[in-house]
Amino acid sequence: GAVVSQHPSRVICKSGTSVKIECRSLDFQATTMFWYRQFPKKSLMLMATSNEGSKATYEQGVEKDKFLINHASLTLSTLTVTSAHPEDSSFYICSASFRRRAYEQYFGPGTRLTVT
Amino acid sequence: ELKVEQNPLFLSMQEGKNYTIYCNYSTTSDRLYWYRQDPGKSLESLFVLLSNGAVKQEGRLMASLDTKARLSTLHITAAVHDLSATYFCAVDQNTGTASKLTFGTGTRLQVTL
Repeated sequence: GAVVSQHPSRVICKSGTSVKIECRSLDFQATTMFWYRQFPKKSLMLMATSNEGSKATYEQGVEKDKFLINHASLTLSTLTVTSAHPEDSSFYICSASFRRRAYEQYFGPGTRLTVT
Repeated sequence: ELKVEQNPLFLSMQEGKNYTIYCNYSTTSDRLYWYRQDPGKSLESLFVLLSNGAVKQEGRLMASLDTKARLSTLHITAAVHDLSATYFCAVDQNTGTASKLTFGTGTRLQVTL
């Protein structure tokens, strides 16, 4: 149980375009979803936290207008990277938690974004 | 600001040997997590430690938490090649209804024959 999926697993886009990444909780209702970014050989950095039906809370230094997060339902959150640049190339990982086990996050498989 | 440090950053060890990875954090927390990450993959949850003195074991790995010292350890017993991966600890800053994880720097473990 507690499976999280992400789509796509890999995406290549041209500089200046936007790309959307989906994160779904497959067998539970996620009250909270999280988005992380990981650069090569580095640790995970939390970008934002979102609760269903409310605006995401962004971490300091993360541009909310560039990384649009929508958590429209209890099973789906999306991250849109707008006007992507090569420095946005990274591994994006989402996670989700649910109320009864709010202390534990279940991680998706990640999306590797390459901006050319 | 919560800081989470792991050491060593890189560990090369022979099969059959024992070693410990350390995770130090800078502010009070009762929740600490250990994850494994294989190259190109996402995180696999290893241990969830929720109180002072918690000790959990799975196979050749054992994790413990000392909240007073703000220290967690991940002990590897009789390492095997399959344990080669990067290991992250993460500390939960939020004691409310949702967690907020700050990850350590990671320890890349290489087990050699």
